[in-house]
Amino acid sequence: DAMVIQNPRYQVTQFGKPVTLSCSQTLNHNVMYWYQQKSSQAPKLLFHYYDKDFNNEADTPDNFQSRRPNTSFCFLDIRSPGLGDAAMYLCATRAGGTPEDGYTFGSGTRLTVV
Amino acid sequence: AQSVTQLDSHVSVSEGTPVLLRCNYSSSYSPSLFWYVQHPNKGLQLLLKYTSAATLVKGINGFEAEFKKSETSFHLTKPSAHMSDAAEYFCVVRREYGNKLVFGAGTILRVKS
Repeated sequence: DAMVIQNPRYQVTQFGKPVTLSCSQTLNHNVMYWYQQKSSQAPKLLFHYYDKDFNNEADTPDNFQSRRPNTSFCFLDIRSPGLGDAAMYLCATRAGGTPEDGYTFGSGTRLTVV
Repeated sequence: AQSVTQLDSHVSVSEGTPVLLRCNYSSSYSPSLFWYVQHPNKGLQLLLKYTSAATLVKGINGFEAEFKKSETSFHLTKPSAHMSDAAEYFCVVRREYGNKLVFGAGTILRVKS
Protein backbone atom coordinates (compact mmCIF):
# COMPACT_ATOMS: atom_id res chain seq x y z
CA ASP A 1 0.00 0.00 0.00
CA ALA A 2 1.13 3.53 -0.73
CA MET A 3 2.00 5.23 2.46
CA VAL A 4 4.23 7.50 4.50
CA ILE A 5 6.87 5.67 6.50
CA GLN A 6 8.86 7.14 9.34
CA ASN A 7 11.95 5.53 10.76
CA PRO A 8 12.70 4.77 13.44
CA ARG A 9 9.50 4.65 15.50
CA TYR A 10 11.46 5.40 18.65
CA GLN A 11 14.76 7.24 18.83
CA VAL A 12 16.87 7.93 21.88
CA THR A 13 19.69 10.44 21.56
CA GLN A 14 22.08 12.11 23.92
CA PHE A 15 21.87 15.75 24.84
CA GLY A 16 23.76 17.71 22.19
CA LYS A 17 24.38 14.75 19.88
CA PRO A 18 23.10 15.31 16.33
CA VAL A 19 20.21 13.10 15.30
CA THR A 20 18.41 12.51 12.01
CA LEU A 21 14.85 11.34 11.56
CA SER A 22 13.69 10.04 8.21
CA CYS A 23 10.47 10.01 6.26
CA SER A 24 9.76 8.23 3.01
CA GLN A 25 6.67 8.14 0.86
CA THR A 26 5.42 6.01 -2.00
CA LEU A 27 2.63 8.41 -2.90
CA ASN A 28 4.73 10.60 -5.19
CA HIS A 29 3.36 13.66 -3.41
CA ASN A 30 4.90 17.04 -4.12
CA VAL A 31 4.61 18.43 -0.62
CA MET A 32 6.19 17.06 2.54
CA TYR A 33 5.77 18.49 6.04
CA TRP A 34 7.47 18.05 9.39
CA TYR A 35 5.48 18.60 12.55
CA GLN A 36 6.64 18.56 16.17
CA GLN A 37 4.17 17.34 18.77
CA LYS A 38 5.17 17.69 22.41
CA SER A 39 3.42 15.77 25.10
CA SER A 40 -0.26 16.72 25.46
CA GLN A 41 0.03 19.41 22.80
CA ALA A 42 -1.20 19.85 19.24
CA PRO A 43 1.19 19.23 16.36
CA LYS A 44 3.18 22.31 15.38
CA LEU A 45 4.48 22.82 11.87
CA LEU A 46 8.26 23.14 11.65
CA PHE A 47 8.74 23.42 7.87
CA HIS A 48 7.65 21.98 4.57
CA TYR A 49 8.92 21.31 1.07
CA TYR A 50 7.00 21.99 -2.10
CA ASP A 51 9.05 19.88 -4.46
CA LYS A 52 12.55 21.20 -3.74
CA ASP A 53 11.41 24.54 -2.39
CA PHE A 54 12.02 24.71 1.35
CA ASN A 55 9.69 26.75 3.54
CA ASN A 56 10.60 27.39 7.15
CA GLU A 57 8.09 28.50 9.75
CA ALA A 58 9.12 31.77 11.34
CA ASP A 59 9.39 30.34 14.84
CA THR A 60 11.23 27.13 13.99
CA PRO A 61 14.55 27.10 15.88
CA ASP A 62 17.78 27.14 13.88
CA ASN A 63 18.65 23.88 15.59
CA PHE A 64 16.23 22.16 13.22
CA GLN A 65 17.19 21.57 9.60
CA SER A 66 15.73 19.52 6.81
CA ARG A 67 16.83 17.86 3.60
CA ARG A 68 14.85 16.49 0.72
CA PRO A 69 17.22 14.71 -1.68
CA ASN A 70 14.41 13.44 -3.88
CA THR A 71 10.62 13.22 -4.05
CA SER A 72 10.45 10.13 -1.89
CA PHE A 73 12.61 11.07 1.06
CA CYS A 74 12.73 13.88 3.57
CA PHE A 75 14.98 14.14 6.61
CA LEU A 76 14.78 16.12 9.81
CA ASP A 77 18.14 16.95 11.33
CA ILE A 78 18.42 18.21 14.89
CA ARG A 79 21.91 19.59 15.23
CA SER A 80 22.18 19.78 19.02
CA PRO A 81 19.16 18.24 20.69
CA GLY A 82 18.11 19.66 24.00
CA LEU A 83 15.78 18.17 26.59
CA GLY A 84 13.05 20.44 25.26
CA ASP A 85 13.23 18.80 21.86
CA ALA A 86 11.84 15.54 23.17
CA ALA A 87 8.63 15.06 21.24
CA MET A 88 6.81 13.06 18.63
CA TYR A 89 7.87 14.14 15.15
CA LEU A 90 5.29 13.65 12.44
CA CYS A 91 5.87 13.64 8.72
CA ALA A 92 2.99 14.35 6.35
CA THR A 93 2.58 14.55 2.60
CA ARG A 94 0.13 16.14 0.22
CA ALA A 95 -0.29 15.82 -3.50
CA GLY A 96 -0.02 19.55 -4.04
CA GLY A 97 -2.75 19.84 -6.62
CA THR A 98 -5.89 21.40 -5.21
CA PRO A 99 -5.84 22.70 -1.64
CA GLU A 100 -8.37 20.07 -0.66
CA ASP A 101 -6.01 17.24 -1.52
CA GLY A 102 -5.70 15.05 1.49
CA TYR A 103 -2.77 15.07 3.84
CA THR A 104 -1.29 11.67 4.70
CA PHE A 105 0.56 11.35 7.98
CA GLY A 106 3.19 8.84 8.98
CA SER A 107 3.09 7.06 12.31
CA GLY A 108 5.65 9.39 13.80
CA THR A 109 9.03 9.09 15.49
CA ARG A 110 9.10 9.56 19.23
CA LEU A 111 12.37 11.24 20.19
CA THR A 112 13.78 10.96 23.69
CA VAL A 113 16.74 13.08 24.73
CA VAL A 114 18.83 11.81 27.63
CA ALA B 1 -5.88 34.30 10.43
CA GLN B 2 -7.49 30.92 10.48
CA SER B 3 -7.78 29.09 13.79
CA VAL B 4 -9.83 26.46 15.56
CA THR B 5 -10.90 26.17 19.16
CA GLN B 6 -11.77 22.83 20.66
CA LEU B 7 -14.10 23.59 23.49
CA ASP B 8 -13.37 20.53 25.63
CA SER B 9 -9.95 19.18 26.51
CA HIS B 10 -11.46 15.94 27.83
CA VAL B 11 -14.74 14.16 27.11
CA SER B 12 -15.88 11.01 28.87
CA VAL B 13 -18.77 8.87 27.62
CA SER B 14 -20.10 5.40 28.30
CA GLU B 15 -19.84 2.75 25.64
CA GLY B 16 -22.93 2.78 23.45
CA THR B 17 -23.82 6.42 24.16
CA PRO B 18 -23.46 9.33 21.72
CA VAL B 19 -20.23 11.24 21.26
CA LEU B 20 -20.03 15.00 20.74
CA LEU B 21 -16.67 16.73 20.32
CA ARG B 22 -17.01 20.46 19.80
CA CYS B 23 -14.99 22.68 17.52
CA ASN B 24 -15.40 26.32 16.56
CA TYR B 25 -13.42 27.89 13.78
CA SER B 26 -12.32 31.34 12.84
CA SER B 27 -11.79 32.16 9.20
CA SER B 28 -12.32 35.10 6.92
CA TYR B 29 -13.21 32.87 4.03
CA SER B 30 -14.94 29.56 3.50
CA PRO B 31 -12.56 27.19 5.23
CA SER B 32 -11.43 23.64 4.69
CA LEU B 33 -11.89 21.77 7.96
CA PHE B 34 -10.73 18.36 9.07
CA TRP B 35 -11.00 16.03 12.01
CA TYR B 36 -8.06 13.77 12.77
CA VAL B 37 -7.77 11.03 15.37
CA GLN B 38 -4.60 9.98 17.14
CA HIS B 39 -4.37 6.80 19.16
CA PRO B 40 -1.62 6.61 21.81
CA ASN B 41 1.86 6.63 20.31
CA LYS B 42 0.47 6.55 16.81
CA GLY B 43 0.33 8.99 13.93
CA LEU B 44 -2.67 10.99 12.81
CA GLN B 45 -5.53 9.44 10.87
CA LEU B 46 -8.01 11.49 8.88
CA LEU B 47 -11.59 10.94 10.03
CA LEU B 48 -13.32 13.34 7.67
CA LYS B 49 -12.98 16.64 5.87
CA TYR B 50 -15.20 19.52 4.81
CA THR B 51 -14.30 21.34 1.62
CA SER B 52 -17.38 23.48 0.82
CA ALA B 53 -19.48 20.66 -0.59
CA ALA B 54 -22.19 19.06 1.57
CA THR B 55 -22.39 20.58 5.04
CA LEU B 56 -22.94 17.20 6.67
CA VAL B 57 -19.80 15.18 6.22
CA LYS B 58 -19.60 11.47 6.87
CA GLY B 59 -16.29 9.97 7.85
CA ILE B 60 -14.82 6.67 8.83
CA ASN B 61 -15.82 4.52 11.80
CA GLY B 62 -19.31 6.01 11.99
CA PHE B 63 -18.21 9.57 12.69
CA GLU B 64 -19.75 12.58 11.07
CA ALA B 65 -19.52 16.34 11.37
CA GLU B 66 -21.76 19.21 10.38
CA PHE B 67 -20.43 22.52 9.10
CA LYS B 68 -22.56 25.37 10.44
CA LYS B 69 -21.48 28.69 9.05
CA SER B 70 -23.91 30.70 11.17
CA GLU B 71 -22.40 29.21 14.30
CA THR B 72 -18.83 28.88 12.95
CA SER B 73 -18.87 25.34 14.24
CA PHE B 74 -17.74 21.95 12.99
CA HIS B 75 -18.68 19.53 15.75
CA LEU B 76 -17.82 15.84 15.50
CA THR B 77 -20.46 13.29 16.43
CA LYS B 78 -21.01 9.56 16.59
CA PRO B 79 -24.28 7.93 17.58
CA SER B 80 -22.77 5.14 19.67
CA ALA B 81 -19.31 5.14 21.22
CA HIS B 82 -17.10 2.09 21.06
CA MET B 83 -14.18 1.30 23.32
CA SER B 84 -11.85 1.56 20.33
CA ASP B 85 -12.87 5.21 19.88
CA ALA B 86 -10.85 6.20 22.94
CA ALA B 87 -8.15 8.48 21.52
CA GLU B 88 -7.27 12.12 21.03
CA TYR B 89 -9.17 14.06 18.38
CA PHE B 90 -7.93 17.15 16.61
CA CYS B 91 -10.02 19.69 14.76
CA VAL B 92 -7.94 21.25 12.02
CA VAL B 93 -8.34 24.16 9.60
CA ARG B 94 -6.34 24.63 6.46
CA ARG B 95 -4.48 27.91 6.51
CA GLU B 96 -5.05 29.63 3.22
CA TYR B 97 -1.63 31.24 2.97
CA GLY B 98 0.89 28.51 2.36
CA ASN B 99 -1.83 25.84 2.39
CA LYS B 100 -0.88 24.50 5.81
CA LEU B 101 -2.84 22.82 8.56
CA VAL B 102 -3.53 24.60 11.84
CA PHE B 103 -4.43 22.25 14.67
CA GLY B 104 -6.73 22.76 17.60
CA ALA B 105 -5.47 21.85 21.05
CA GLY B 106 -7.10 18.43 20.91
CA THR B 107 -9.84 16.62 22.83
CA ILE B 108 -9.12 13.39 24.65
CA LEU B 109 -12.07 11.02 24.42
CA ARG B 110 -12.45 8.45 27.15
CA VAL B 111 -14.95 5.62 26.71
CA LYS B 112 -16.13 3.83 29.82
CA SER B 113 -17.38 0.28 29.79
